[in-house]
Amino acid sequence: LAKTTQPISMDSYEGQEVNITCSHNNIATNDYITWYQQFPSQGPRFIIQGYKTKVTNEVASLFIPADRKSSTLSLPRVSLSDTAVYYCLVGDRGSQGNLIFGKGTKLSVKP
Amino acid sequence: DAGVIQSPRHEVTEMGQEVTLRCKPISGHDYLFWYRQTMMRGLELLIYFNNNVPIDDSGMPEDRFSAKMPNASFSTLKIQPSEPRDSAVYFCASSLWSSGANEQYFGPGTRLTVT
Repeated sequence: LAKTTQPISMDSYEGQEVNITCSHNNIATNDYITWYQQFPSQGPRFIIQGYKTKVTNEVASLFIPADRKSSTLSLPRVSLSDTAVYYCLVGDRGSQGNLIFGKGTKLSVKP
Repeated sequence: DAGVIQSPRHEVTEMGQEVTLRCKPISGHDYLFWYRQTMMRGLELLIYFNNNVPIDDSGMPEDRFSAKMPNASFSTLKIQPSEPRDSAVYFCASSLWSSGANEQYFGPGTRLTVT
């Protein structure tokens, strides 16, 4: 299983763009990169998933370079409500039980 | 859909007592997962089911833990006897394999405190 490495914590201010980078040096050919968000006292919530290049949805963008050994989750113009833990996971599409959440990155957004 | 439903939301019990956590997955989902979350260890997968059949229980800490899924709409996680180190938030999640995405839908969790 591909292991991921991401910063333990990050601080930002309201209105800024936040980029959280995740390293996954031994990602397999069939693996996809998935990001989840967890607010305090709630279960994790799926944000975005991608394989290569760039994926964008209404919540975030995901940038994946050609070698796919890392990925960057981009949150545009964060607000206080974006304060949460963000998890980066890798696994083949539909791998279900093989996803490892780890400790994630705790993002704190300040006014 | 109401999402994944878990009960109870909070459980406080004494060491040695039996604890049963319940989960109702999203209708139509064919995978169900039980996770445990603590500050020290983060979010750990305990066991998961596919079409009501346990697929991988290697994350279950020991024989005191057991999980069942008697039908597609209900699952239980039982701890007997409970110990203080079992105190954690237990999440149930469900997903649909055919969606092609690694998208699991989590319930609100059960906060278990064993004294």
